[in-house]
Amino acid sequence: DVKVTQSSRYLVKRTGEKVFLECVQDMDHENMFWYRQDPGLGLRLIYFSYDVKMKEKGDIPEGYSVSREKKERFSLILESASTNQTSMYLCASSFMTGVVGAFFGQGTRLTVV
Amino acid sequence: GNSVTQMEGPVTLSEEAFLTINCTYTATGYPSLFWYVQYPGEGLQLLLKATKADDKGSNKGFEATYRKETTSFHLEKGSVQVSDSAVYFCALSGPARDNYGQNFVFGPGTRLSVLP
Repeated sequence: DVKVTQSSRYLVKRTGEKVFLECVQDMDHENMFWYRQDPGLGLRLIYFSYDVKMKEKGDIPEGYSVSREKKERFSLILESASTNQTSMYLCASSFMTGVVGAFFGQGTRLTVV
Repeated sequence: GNSVTQMEGPVTLSEEAFLTINCTYTATGYPSLFWYVQYPGEGLQLLLKATKADDKGSNKGFEATYRKETTSFHLEKGSVQVSDSAVYFCALSGPARDNYGQNFVFGPGTRLSVLP
């Protein structure tokens, strides 16, 4: 079974803190994605990566950065957390062609206070 | 650009009722199509997929057929159970902007509640 693991299920951080969300996949997938999910807004793509050290902005990259130093790991960084970044964050991965679908982690519920 | 439209919920059904959740898409080329399911507090799980026109994806009693002529991929189940209560997302995969890699586009999700 494909396994995508996010480092935390629940996280509470203070405004202004630097926050790291980690994601690891074990299927040798080329593509990795970070989404945020908010009620009424569905899934919105923050960043994605199609190869090591490569990254592409998604629809809402402002306030976020990413790092992909190894193929299996994709990190989302909130440089200075703000309350409007309170959300569910979902990591996913897929093969380059995307034909068999994307596989998701269990999600990280981040609360910024 | 690529987009996915699906019926707004919530959808409330009685156990053993027939389920249809409509999904239509707009895409260039030949996308692959997917249905995902999300249970409360969890990530999305791939439910079924279809990779070309007229393919039928099926899993756990759910079915969807890739209809290129109507650009649709409607989800159906003949007899729903309480345990099917969840949010269902229609999605497609296609080339990302600037053709770097593949990207996934999701519909807004449809919440299904099944009552005993």
